[in-house]
Amino acid sequence: DSGVTQTPKHLITATGQRVTLRCSPRSGDLSVYWYQQSLDQGLQFLIQYYNGEERAKGNILERFSAQQFPDLHSELNLSSLELGDSALYFCASSATGQGKSPLHFGNGTRLTVT
Amino acid sequence: AQKITQTQPGMFVQEKEAVTLDCTYDTSDQSYGLFWYKQPSSGEMIFLIYQGSYDEQNATEGRYSLNFQKARKSANLVISASQLGDSAMYFCAMREGQYKLIFGTGTRLQVFP
Repeated sequence: DSGVTQTPKHLITATGQRVTLRCSPRSGDLSVYWYQQSLDQGLQFLIQYYNGEERAKGNILERFSAQQFPDLHSELNLSSLELGDSALYFCASSATGQGKSPLHFGNGTRLTVT
Repeated sequence: AQKITQTQPGMFVQEKEAVTLDCTYDTSDQSYGLFWYKQPSSGEMIFLIYQGSYDEQNATEGRYSLNFQKARKSANLVISASQLGDSAMYFCAMREGQYKLIFGTGTRLQVFP
């Protein structure tokens, strides 16, 4: 058990809808990352937060947004969903977000857009 | 831009044998870190081992070791005494810009009896 909690585990929704994925980092970790894993794109970095502030941004679509709250949990909002958004979404956390601090991953949220 | 390459889409190894999973990287940074993760069929991502660019010795963690050749920009994972439970996808990753990790495309390892 990595200590990172993601909810829900599975999500099935229709095109055009909006969903929110939630992540609680490991106790003490200040940095949260979001990754998207699809069959054809591999593991793609979306966004990173450190202690509530956005630190790095990847190829995150404008339809997607995220935030990290004062209690350090994070939410990833996906809107106007398309079939191609179907993927496994991982949240990860690390102590400092840099250097040798590894990322510890949650079990992921599997999103299916129909 | 920094890049991680894993050229082996799949590998087979017999139980109790050693196996090497290849990883090459490209970066212009002098300071960087390399990570290996395991993803079993259940889907979770498990951190295995870390190697820093300035580390003088190759990293080891139990049955996992990293064959780090800085001049060749390679960081191959060596699994000794393979077990059936080692069957999984293995990802090499590099810390880019001191913050985010970028991942290779992975190698699927299958261990057979």
